[in-house]
Amino acid sequence: DAGVIQSPRHEVTEMGQEVTLRCKPISGHDYLFWYRQTMMRGLELLIYFNNNVPIDDSGMPEDRFSAKMPNASFSTLKIQPSEPRDSAVYFCASRMGQGFYEQYFGPGTRLTVT
Amino acid sequence: SQQGEEDPQALSIQEGENATMNCSYKTSINNLQWYRQNSGRGLVHLILIRSNEREKHSGRLRVTLDTSKKSSSLLITASRAADTASYFCATDAVNTNAGKSTFGDGTTLTVKP
Repeated sequence: DAGVIQSPRHEVTEMGQEVTLRCKPISGHDYLFWYRQTMMRGLELLIYFNNNVPIDDSGMPEDRFSAKMPNASFSTLKIQPSEPRDSAVYFCASRMGQGFYEQYFGPGTRLTVT
Repeated sequence: SQQGEEDPQALSIQEGENATMNCSYKTSINNLQWYRQNSGRGLVHLILIRSNEREKHSGRLRVTLDTSKKSSSLLITASRAADTASYFCATDAVNTNAGKSTFGDGTTLTVKP
């Protein structure tokens, strides 16, 4: 298996632009997580899905952030409009079903908003 | 606030020495996990210890769990320069959304050759 795939790996955009981050989880995994990592705030859970259904989005910072999982093999995290404080590394992770706790992380997308 | 907090925040040792880092958490847990993150990479799962276990080994890693003190420790023996990374604990709390792990702020380990 190729592991969790994220794209793009790097994104530089101007303030106010829409940003879409993409994730392909490991095949057969039922859970998908979106995290944001910064020096100041550490690793934050933004939202997670179980069987394509959002379970907890309490970590999504504000309405500018939205996430979807239209099918078991694809998820997006969208920021519209982007702001400089959104600059961070965004990780996607997936996990097998109930009883399995190990999360597999993707390589991350480094987002810079100027 | 974070469920897990690592201590120390940073640790610098010589190659060959042992490294010990600690994690404290606030609520009852089902299990506790340790992850490693190399610079510029995603986190990699190292080891999981369940709430009814006290100690677990994996290669040069030794993890202990004290549920009465709500704390865990990760010991890396005979450290190598390649062990330089950040180490995070993550907890699956009892009575919380199933599947959600809460990560601490991490310990940055530097192993000098």
